Amino acid sequence: AQTVTQSQPEMSVQEAETVTLSCTYDTSESDYYLFWYKQPPSRQMILVIRQEAYKQQNATENRFSVNFQKAAKSFSLKISDSQLGDAAMYFCAYRSVGSNAGKSTFGDGTTLTVKP
Amino acid sequence: NAGVMQNPRHLVRRRGQEARLRCSPMKGHSHVYWYRQLPEEGLKFMVYLQKENIIDESGMPKERFSAEFPKEGPSILRIQQVVRGDSAAYFCASSPQAGWTGELFFGEGSRLTVL
Repeated sequence: AQTVTQSQPEMSVQEAETVTLSCTYDTSESDYYLFWYKQPPSRQMILVIRQEAYKQQNATENRFSVNFQKAAKSFSLKISDSQLGDAAMYFCAYRSVGSNAGKSTFGDGTTLTVKP
Repeated sequence: NAGVMQNPRHLVRRRGQEARLRCSPMKGHSHVYWYRQLPEEGLKFMVYLQKENIIDESGMPKERFSAEFPKEGPSILRIQQVVRGDSAAYFCASSPQAGWTGELFFGEGSRLTVL
């Protein structure tokens, strides 16, 4: 079974600065998808960014980018120019593909605080 | 609102009562997932359903918990004889098809409090 580990329960960043959230995972599969979700205080989870394992190029979405290291099974999220609205809990998630596609496995989350 | 709809948003039950949580997936989605989030913890998978079929229930407790997704109507997560340890936020997510590799679309969650 796949596992996802987020080793930073809490992180803080100064507004306009850059912060990196860590995520590692364990799998024996060669093809899969990785996600970062954001859960703001309103509690609805929303997608931040998605990475296909077969792609070597790191995904980017505006101020959000990932550092995907497949061999190391690492998938960190970098938030540049942090804004107050980025304060939330961030979850890393793993999803199988093909016939195994189904549930996503989530890490325990990292609570990000943005200081003005 | 075309998003995933969950109700009730908040539910209070006394120990021994039953809790029913409902989830209507996004329009056009036929796959539903239930997750549980205990306080200060991550999301733990419970069950994955397609209409009229349970695909994966590996995360469901063996007793007191059941889920269904009928041909018509919302998906329902049912917890019988609730205990204090069942207090949590229960999230529903949906996806459009089997083998979907995109993101899950989440509802706002149902917070169950057991007194």
